[in-house]
Amino acid sequence: GAGVSQSPSNKVTEKGKDVELRCDPISGHTALYWYRQSLGQGLEFLIYFQGNSAPDKSGLPSDRFSAERTGGSVSTLTIQRTQQEDSAVYLCASSPTGLGSGYTFGSGTRLTVV
Amino acid sequence: SQQGEEDPQALSIQEGENATMNCSYKTSINNLQWYRQNSGRGLVHLILIRSNEREKHSGRLRVTLDTSKKSSSLLITASRAADTASYFCAIKRNRDDKIIFGKGTRLHILP
Repeated sequence: GAGVSQSPSNKVTEKGKDVELRCDPISGHTALYWYRQSLGQGLEFLIYFQGNSAPDKSGLPSDRFSAERTGGSVSTLTIQRTQQEDSAVYLCASSPTGLGSGYTFGSGTRLTVV
Repeated sequence: SQQGEEDPQALSIQEGENATMNCSYKTSINNLQWYRQNSGRGLVHLILIRSNEREKHSGRLRVTLDTSKKSSSLLITASRAADTASYFCAIKRNRDDKIIFGKGTRLHILP
């Protein structure tokens, strides 16, 4: 597609439920990042995919968070047993390569856990 | 910290004036990038400066990088109301491929 697409744009879920957030990067981009941004804060790194390499999961805040990237394209971020502190905007970004390139961001998914 | 840290946290200037934002970091970097964010959603990439570069321009934007001081500045000249946004610096570290963001500078252009 022309840009990075994220869905849903907004998600309200009950505490304890699982959610899946989707990111569809720009076709051909090998690098894909997930970030989380709480209200008025900077971006917190979550996970990074680069081509066929093992993902860098060092930013995932707990084992309730997981992500996968199928076929080097679409990525899904899953949060199990959601907690209120998981409420944030989840942003996905992709880049042609992981080296020396600016990143194109999606519009994010605003997750609210009630 | 390993991330970039912007200074000031917030800045209000009159339309037409120049706005300068600074970013400091503590690790070895491959490049440094600046992004703009409107309304708390997606970020827009503004400019990338590599570690072997000292200055880059793009339209009304001027970015400098001083690797000896581990600092960068973003200058927006002749500011406009549409420049009102949050601006983030992001560093790409040498030791891995992560891009780490600072907390941002909130810029408000007064009419």
